[in-house]
Amino acid sequence: EAGVTQFPSHSVIEKGQTVTLRCDPISGHDNLYWYRRVMGKEIKFLLHFVKESKQDESGMPNNRFLAERTGGTYSTLKVQPAELEDSGVYFCASSQVFEGEQFFGPGTRLTVL
Amino acid sequence: AQSVTQLDSHVSVSEGTPVLLRCNYSSSYSPSLFWYVQHPNKGLQLLLKYTSAATLVKGINGFEAEFKKSETSFHLTKPSAHMSDAAEYFCVPPGGTSYGKLTFGQGTILTVHP
Repeated sequence: EAGVTQFPSHSVIEKGQTVTLRCDPISGHDNLYWYRRVMGKEIKFLLHFVKESKQDESGMPNNRFLAERTGGTYSTLKVQPAELEDSGVYFCASSQVFEGEQFFGPGTRLTVL
Repeated sequence: AQSVTQLDSHVSVSEGTPVLLRCNYSSSYSPSLFWYVQHPNKGLQLLLKYTSAATLVKGINGFEAEFKKSETSFHLTKPSAHMSDAAEYFCVPPGGTSYGKLTFGQGTILTVHP
């Protein structure tokens, strides 16, 4: 069974540009989470989807971040326009049931220059 | 809400010696606690989970953790370190009202020397 996959693995962009990160959860997992780790800081929760609905988006830093999960399968996280402080590693996780074990992808390392 | 403090940002051990990674939690009730591990360039992986069924929890790769309510601790241990244990380890309580989201500790980087 394939695990959680994320694309791209690395992205380097300039300040002001747009970047879209993609996460493919484990098939059949209704719950999808985004987390972020800024260098030197803890991993922080961004948001949680249940199927295509946003269950909790309390961790989204500002309105430059837009997450979608159309059709309840894969999810995208768009940053527009990117700022220097957005650099970090973005993790996606999925779980089969609410409060179930979360399975993480390898992360996308975003560098904003 | 629950929170955790990982007491060491870096731990260095020699192969074959015991490993101790410390985690203290703050909560007004018995929590659920997890340890996750992240190997270089890999995703986070659940190492073990405490859910109040037993105070000593065994995880994967020979790791275990003991929940001590009197000390509000949930330290991760392994009797004998292996080179493949080199990774970053995170102590995690479930956090927030949604319960689904994870609130991570600061992380402890474990280095294993030959």
